[in-house]
Amino acid sequence: QQQVKQSPQSLIVQKGGISIINCAYENTAFDYFPWYQQFPGKGPALLIAIRPDVSEKKEGRFTISFNKSAKQFSLHIMDSQPGDSATYFCAASKRNTGKLIFGQGTTLQVKP
Amino acid sequence: SAVISQKPSRDICQRGTSLTIQCQVDSQVTMMFWYRQQPGQSLTLIATANQGSEATYESGFVIDKFPISRPNLTFSTLTVSNMSPEDSSIYLCSVGTGVFRSGELFFGEGSRLTVL
Repeated sequence: QQQVKQSPQSLIVQKGGISIINCAYENTAFDYFPWYQQFPGKGPALLIAIRPDVSEKKEGRFTISFNKSAKQFSLHIMDSQPGDSATYFCAASKRNTGKLIFGQGTTLQVKP
Repeated sequence: SAVISQKPSRDICQRGTSLTIQCQVDSQVTMMFWYRQQPGQSLTLIATANQGSEATYESGFVIDKFPISRPNLTFSTLTVSNMSPEDSSIYLCSVGTGVFRSGELFFGEGSRLTVL
């Protein structure tokens, strides 16, 4: 049972463009939605996270948009840079359980 | 965020053997978890490592195959028992820090295991 669905599987963006990755979840009990960035050979690094009481959260070039009624959330990377080339995972969990359910991942390539 | 060290970082093992992976954190943490990332795939939770008691396993994972210990608030081990090539994966330790109620979880660099 895939509780968190992520798309697209891969994404190619030109330098300076906007990268958009989407996720949808099924379980309405989820109340914490983080995004992780993973470079080859490294562990996932927490990028940004949101709770369902807000519709948007921005940290630098990274923004999460959250639509509770649609059970969807997305990551926007503004002014994408070649250094942003990595695999991005969305995830979801229930409050204070720490048990993350991950999406399938999106491989982002930013071309110079 | 906590500094998480995993050992070994990578290993090549023979079928039928067992390997123990260590996770050491530089500060006391509320929660510790073990995840598996199969080649080119996403992360799947194996179990919650409970301090001083038996780990809590997710569906599809059993203690006989993945015994876990957590003797204190900074250290845990995961053993992959009687390995087969299907166990070739990256095994990741994850921790929730002292301010865990924020929900933040951090990952180690992972232990890349290849079973021949």
